[in-house]
Amino acid sequence: AQTVTQSQPEMSVQEAETVTLSCTYDTSENNYYLFWYKQPPSRQMILVIRQEAYKQQNATENRFSVNFQKAAKSFSLKISDSQLGDTAMYFCAFMMYSGGGADGLTFGKGTHLIIQP
Amino acid sequence: DTGVSQDPRHKITKRGQNVTFRCDPISEHNRLYWYRQTLGQGPEFLTYFQNEAQLEKSRLLSDRFSAERPKGSFSTLEIQRTEQGDSAMYLCASSHRDRAPYGYTFGSGTRLTVV
Repeated sequence: AQTVTQSQPEMSVQEAETVTLSCTYDTSENNYYLFWYKQPPSRQMILVIRQEAYKQQNATENRFSVNFQKAAKSFSLKISDSQLGDTAMYFCAFMMYSGGGADGLTFGKGTHLIIQP
Repeated sequence: DTGVSQDPRHKITKRGQNVTFRCDPISEHNRLYWYRQTLGQGPEFLTYFQNEAQLEKSRLLSDRFSAERPKGSFSTLEIQRTEQGDSAMYLCASSHRDRAPYGYTFGSGTRLTVV
């Protein structure tokens, strides 16, 4: 079974600063996907960024980028120029995709990110 | 398309009562997932459907839980004889089989409180 670990329960930074959220995972599989989801207070979970394990290039989406270290099984999220709207719970998630299976997501416990004005 | 809809948003029930939640996925999505999220935890997989077939159930889904997806459209999750430990946010998500690696679309969830 896969496990996902987020070791930072809460982080707080000033607006416009850069912040990095950590995530490690454990799997014996070689073909999988990794995700960061954002869950604002009382709102639905939305996808921030995804990474295919077979790609060496780190994914980027505007102010969001990842540092994917496959050998170390590490998948951190960097948020540049942080904004007040980035305040939310951030979940790291793992998916083993076989094309025919459940493709269920395994989530970490989350990091509560607070952006201070 | 309004995304994934869940109803109700909040439900308070007395221990021992039955409750039913509904999820309406994005219309063209053939996969539908149920997750449970307790306070301070990430979501945990409960079950999933491909079209109308329930293909996998987690060990978290006790005999008191049942899920259906008639005609492969909306889905219902029923909890019988609720217990205080059932208090949680119940999340529904959907995806298309061929696009599952691109991530799911989640609903806003149903928050269940058992008193």
